[in-house]
Amino acid sequence: QVLLQQWGAGLLKPSETLSLTCAVYGGSFSGYYWSWIRQPPGKGLEWIGEINHSGSTNYNPSLKSRVTISVDTSKNQFSLKLSSVTAADTAVYYCARGPYYDILTGYGPAFDIWGQGTMVTVSS
Amino acid sequence: QTVVTQEPSLTVSPGGTVTLTCASSTGAVTSGYYPNWFQQKPGQVPRALIYSTSKKHSWTPARFSGSLLGGKAALTLSGVQPEDEAEYYCLLYYGGAQPWVFGGGTKLTVL
Repeated sequence: QVLLQQWGAGLLKPSETLSLTCAVYGGSFSGYYWSWIRQPPGKGLEWIGEINHSGSTNYNPSLKSRVTISVDTSKNQFSLKLSSVTAADTAVYYCARGPYYDILTGYGPAFDIWGQGTMVTVSS
Repeated sequence: QTVVTQEPSLTVSPGGTVTLTCASSTGAVTSGYYPNWFQQKPGQVPRALIYSTSKKHSWTPARFSGSLLGGKAALTLSGVQPEDEAEYYCLLYYGGAQPWVFGGGTKLTVL
């Protein structure tokens, strides 16, 4: 059973860099893209970006200038860095498996397993 | 800026049927947008329900189904249960510079 466990600093000051890491346990790391998604308090979900095991990335254009997603295949981990944070970046941040294509059916792309979420607060 | 629009809220009676929709500001939603649907209950992590318009994950209850309806992606709940009360989000694929965009979510009340 695949498990995503994430961690990182929960309280930041404006202008600092947000840094989160997500570890993948119990399943294959290659063959998938891995995403970061966030949710401001009381609001909807926002896709931040994705990375695959080779390090190929795609980002939300609204965040692209401040976002870096990286991968460490030796540890089955991927990470998110968001620079120059402001109060508007206060949110629960999730890591998730996907998008990927189902190996058996060929259907996709799908998202399925999510991390537990990390609340990140930006406040002076 | 691409906008994905969902009904802000819907109410359904237990045992009833309800359809949630997901529209794109760029035009009709087709299978090439690979609609995904997620359920989120208060204080919980979102749970994936549907991918590729109509495919179910192994854990998705049979009463949930996905389709394309009138140029939109749709999620239909048949025989609604009280535990289906939740926020539902769609996710569409655009590729290029803005690969994935979430809808604003639909708050489903079972009353």
